[in-house]
Amino acid sequence: EAGVAQSPRYKIIEKRQSVAFWCNPISGHATLYWYQQILGQGPKLLIQFQNNGVVDDSQLPKDRFSAERLKGVDSTLKIQPAKLEDSAVYLCASSLHSGRGQPQHFGDGTRLSIL
Amino acid sequence: AQSVSQHNHHVILSEAASLELGCNYSYGGTVNLFWYVQYPGQHLQLLLKYFSGDPLVKGIKGFEAEFIKSKFSFNLRKPSVQWSDTAEYFCAVNARGSGNTGKLIFGQGTTLQVKP
Repeated sequence: EAGVAQSPRYKIIEKRQSVAFWCNPISGHATLYWYQQILGQGPKLLIQFQNNGVVDDSQLPKDRFSAERLKGVDSTLKIQPAKLEDSAVYLCASSLHSGRGQPQHFGDGTRLSIL
Repeated sequence: AQSVSQHNHHVILSEAASLELGCNYSYGGTVNLFWYVQYPGQHLQLLLKYFSGDPLVKGIKGFEAEFIKSKFSFNLRKPSVQWSDTAEYFCAVNARGSGNTGKLIFGQGTTLQVKP
């Protein structure tokens, strides 16, 4: 099966600019996750969708980050305006559903550098 | 709040040496436990998982992990490492039960370097 697709792979922007990342999950996967992985740390969940509804966005900095999954398939994550501390790899993952410890399948990530 | 701690940040071994990576979590309820691996230039992949039953679980590529409930630990082991095991290893936990969303809490990762 095709894996989780993310684009772009790399992005370099200046602080205060905006940026968007795209994710296409594995076909049929109802649950989609966005994680932020800062260098030297493990991934941290930003937002979790179940179909097109938000399940958990408790750690999403909502003053600058937004995400949507309008048709319950693809998702976009946006940062506006970007800060230096947003430099990280942004990972998208999907799972069949969110219950019973369903394994999450990860994409290659988008590496964001803020100048 | 749940948290995961991985004891070793960077481990260097020679081929054929035995490996044990430590992982401890803090959460009072029932959990699912995972080890993920990220090979250089690749995405995170599931190595093994524990839900219930036999606390010794076997994963891909000869890895195994043991869940010790009394110690809140889920250490990863391999009897004899290969150069191809060079990667970053992440322990992760999610809480089970109603109201839990399946969200993973990750440790900070351990970089394993195997010298040929």
